[in-house]
Amino acid sequence: NAGVMQNPRHLVRRRGQEARLRCSPMKGHSHVYWYRQLPEEGLKFMVYLQKENIIDESGMPKERFSAEFPKEGPSILRIQQVVRGDSAAYFCASSPDSSYGYTFGSGTRLTVV
Amino acid sequence: KNEVEQSPQNLTAQEGEFITINCSYSVGISALHWLQQHPGGGIVSLFMLSSGKKKHGRLIATINIQEKHSSLHITASHPRDSAVYICAVTPIIQGAQKLVFGQGTRLTINP
Repeated sequence: NAGVMQNPRHLVRRRGQEARLRCSPMKGHSHVYWYRQLPEEGLKFMVYLQKENIIDESGMPKERFSAEFPKEGPSILRIQQVVRGDSAAYFCASSPDSSYGYTFGSGTRLTVV
Repeated sequence: KNEVEQSPQNLTAQEGEFITINCSYSVGISALHWLQQHPGGGIVSLFMLSSGKKKHGRLIATINIQEKHSSLHITASHPRDSAVYICAVTPIIQGAQKLVFGQGTRLTINP
């Protein structure tokens, strides 16, 4: 059981480029959550997905950010036209259902230059 | 005011000391979580609590639902315990499943 796999671990993008962050949940986990940790700040919820459905996206910025969790394959967090303020660590967590605890991935550190 | 407040923000202690980190929250919750994050590293879930007390090795977590307060204790602390400890809650709001986090407590254990 490989745990929650996030890739890449580190991602550097120039302003205006697109960033794609991938999260493969633990086997048997159908709930995926994305969180963002800005430098020197705490973790903040972004989006909660189940297979093929966005359940709660109340923490997602209104523009440039999108997330999906297709029937097959990993969950993707996509940031279009990145800006310096998007530089952060992005963590994915998964759970088998809402009453269980979470398993976190190692995160993707995004740097926008 | 944050929904989840931790104290202290920073804590430095000597190896072997008993450590207590506190967490207070202001919303109704279905569960409270304690997480550990090493510098530049991932996040490890230590405990998930809805009542009472849990123990794992040298770590003990307690929660008082009436007082909306939880504590994380580390007995016989060791330098490898140095990390940021984060309290998070799952609010009972409109079926929310997301975690709301405290700011974290940075713990340094000196040999």
